[in-house]
Amino acid sequence: LAKTTQPISMDSYEGQEVNITCSHNNIATNDYITWYQQFPSQGPRFIIQGYKTKVTNEVASLFIPADRKSSTLSLPRVSLSDTAVYYCLVGDMSNFNKFYFGSGTKLNVKP
Amino acid sequence: DSGVTQTPKHLITATGQRVTLRCSPRSGDLSVYWYQQSLDQGLQFLIQYYNGEERAKGNILERFSAQQFPDLHSELNLSSLELGDSALYFCASSVGYGLQPQHFGDGTRLSIL
Repeated sequence: LAKTTQPISMDSYEGQEVNITCSHNNIATNDYITWYQQFPSQGPRFIIQGYKTKVTNEVASLFIPADRKSSTLSLPRVSLSDTAVYYCLVGDMSNFNKFYFGSGTKLNVKP
Repeated sequence: DSGVTQTPKHLITATGQRVTLRCSPRSGDLSVYWYQQSLDQGLQFLIQYYNGEERAKGNILERFSAQQFPDLHSELNLSSLELGDSALYFCASSVGYGLQPQHFGDGTRLSIL
C-alpha cells in the first residue's frame, strides 16, 4: 500500500463539520482510498471509499483533488459518538496488499 | 453486527503456552485477515488468506501461524507466548481481495500472565 500521513489528533465540538486530511504522495494510478473508523476495544468499521473527485454516503463525504496526492474525509455535524480513531488506507483494488493502518487520527468531539 | 464471529472473546494464559483463536467470516466472504492491536497501538496486519490460500503476509512472528479451512473459517495459532503478545487480535473478512471493504469482528483479547 502507498504510505499515508494523517494528523495524530484533532479536536472538535458537537455540531461542527470535521475535515480530516490524509496525504498519499506516492499514490499509484490503480490505487483507491478507503477510510475506517475505530472505537476503543472494537474492530474498525468501513466508512467510505473513493477513487477521484467526491464520494458521499449517509455517514461522510470523501473529497479527492485532481492530483490524488491527498484526500479529505468530511464528517458533517459531528456528535460525541463520533469520537474515535480514523484511518486512511490507499491501495490497489485488484492485488493482494499488506495493509498498513498506521496510528490514524484520534478525533475528540467535545460538548 | 459485522457478521464476523471471533471466539473466544477473552483468553488468559501464561508465558510459554499455545493458544488458538478462531474466526468465522461473513457469509460469502472469501478473504480472511488477521490483525494485532496492542494497548494504544495501531493495527498491525499479520496475514491474509483468500479461498484457503495464504495471499499476503505482514509482520507476523514465526511463533504465529494461521490457516483457512475449506469451510472458510480461519484459525490463528500463537505459540511460545510472551508477555508482549498480550493484545487484541482482530479478524476481518471481505468478499474479494485488494482494497475491498473489510468487515471486522469484535476481537479476542489475549492476556499473558
